[in-house]
Amino acid sequence: QQQVKQSPQSLIVQKGGISIINCAYENTAFDYFPWYQQFPGKGPALLIAIRPDVSEKKEGRFTISFNKSAKQFSLHIMDSQPGDSATYFCAARRMDSSYKLIFGSGTRLLVRP
Amino acid sequence: DGGITQSPKYLFRKEGQNVTLSCEQNLNHDAMYWYRQDPGQGLRLIYYSQIVNDFQKGDIAEGYSVSREKKESFPLTVTSAQKNPTAFYLCASSIFGDTQYFGPGTRLTVL
Repeated sequence: QQQVKQSPQSLIVQKGGISIINCAYENTAFDYFPWYQQFPGKGPALLIAIRPDVSEKKEGRFTISFNKSAKQFSLHIMDSQPGDSATYFCAARRMDSSYKLIFGSGTRLLVRP
Repeated sequence: DGGITQSPKYLFRKEGQNVTLSCEQNLNHDAMYWYRQDPGQGLRLIYYSQIVNDFQKGDIAEGYSVSREKKESFPLTVTSAQKNPTAFYLCASSIFGDTQYFGPGTRLTVL
């Protein structure tokens, strides 16, 4: 069964620190890796995404690192702020006609002032 | 105001009752999806539709039904056959094969 494993389950970071969330996948038939941010009671919002032909993508304070050979990708949040406190989900999109997204289990991030 | 709307925001269901969750989008997206979210878990796909009048089962379709009669609308019915329906339900849409965008969700509680 295709899976995306996400860690850690929860993360506490001081304001200004770096938050790092990791994901690993078990199937090579994925072609797109988005990260979503979700605040309590709200729907997930697309944060940043990467394709496997790129090793790193940066948007503001958010960076995705992608290691194709290790089947791993990670989200780095630089200069973490209390407003970043949310649940983060990684996902992988199947490279077939379904375009289904397989989600990780989520990481609850708390940034302390 | 463009986007994806879901209604109601909160829904309560009695045992043995069918309920329907609404999802509407005005983004002209071809594909629409329904996910279920339980505490501490990722999103699990219930049903998806890539085109009007066609839909496919996802990973946890048992106890649910959908229809796609219009491009803008993809309602989800939670039937009495779904034994543990209490969850947060999320609808998403996308241009075919592109990024999925999510609605605000409906929280369903069984009384």
